[in-house]
Amino acid sequence: EDKVVQSPLSLVVHEGDTVTLNCSYEVTNFRSLLWYKQEKKAPTFLFMLTSSGIEKKSGRLSSILDKKELFSILNITATQTGDSAVYLCAVEAIIISYGKLTFGQGTILTVHP
Amino acid sequence: GAVVSQHPSRVICKSGTSVKIECRSLDFQATTMFWYRQFPKQSLMLMATSNEGSKATYEQGVEKDKFLINHASLTLSTLTVTSAHPEDSSFYICSARKTGGFWNTEAFFGQGTRLTVV
Repeated sequence: EDKVVQSPLSLVVHEGDTVTLNCSYEVTNFRSLLWYKQEKKAPTFLFMLTSSGIEKKSGRLSSILDKKELFSILNITATQTGDSAVYLCAVEAIIISYGKLTFGQGTILTVHP
Repeated sequence: GAVVSQHPSRVICKSGTSVKIECRSLDFQATTMFWYRQFPKQSLMLMATSNEGSKATYEQGVEKDKFLINHASLTLSTLTVTSAHPEDSSFYICSARKTGGFWNTEAFFGQGTRLTVV
């Protein structure tokens, strides 16, 4: 059974801090790992990672994948209160002709002013 | 970016009635759509994979007769919760991927539907 584990489950920081969110996985027929940010409703896409060691960046957010260690991290620098959300890691497995996403439990990030 | 529209965003129904939730890809075609359920403070649990023109694939433990899925076109999938009970109250989210652009595109999510069964 495919498995995705995120840590920590929750994190409280102050504005300006840097945070690192972790995601480890076990999946058959791995295709990609995705990070999402979920505030009140549906998740919004952050990154898709398919290759090891290549960092993806978007503003203050960055992420990298280690396919050997089955691990990914999401970094947020200079955090702001607007970064408060649940961050979801999902791993895509190939099932015949489509990809199936398995989500981790999520990390609840709270950024205080 | 691609848009997935889910409707309704919120529904309250009486126990024993059925509720239909629609998921539409507005500006792209989606051969495959996914239905998730999310309990408070928990992650998204895949319920079923909806394939256009064929039967849906349900995850283990999800009742096919309880959660009816229809994917009649490349832009629309529906989830019907039949004979709803209070324990079916949850947040239901659909997602879709672009047909043909599968290998390099992320899944786009609908806004979700908050179902409350009273």
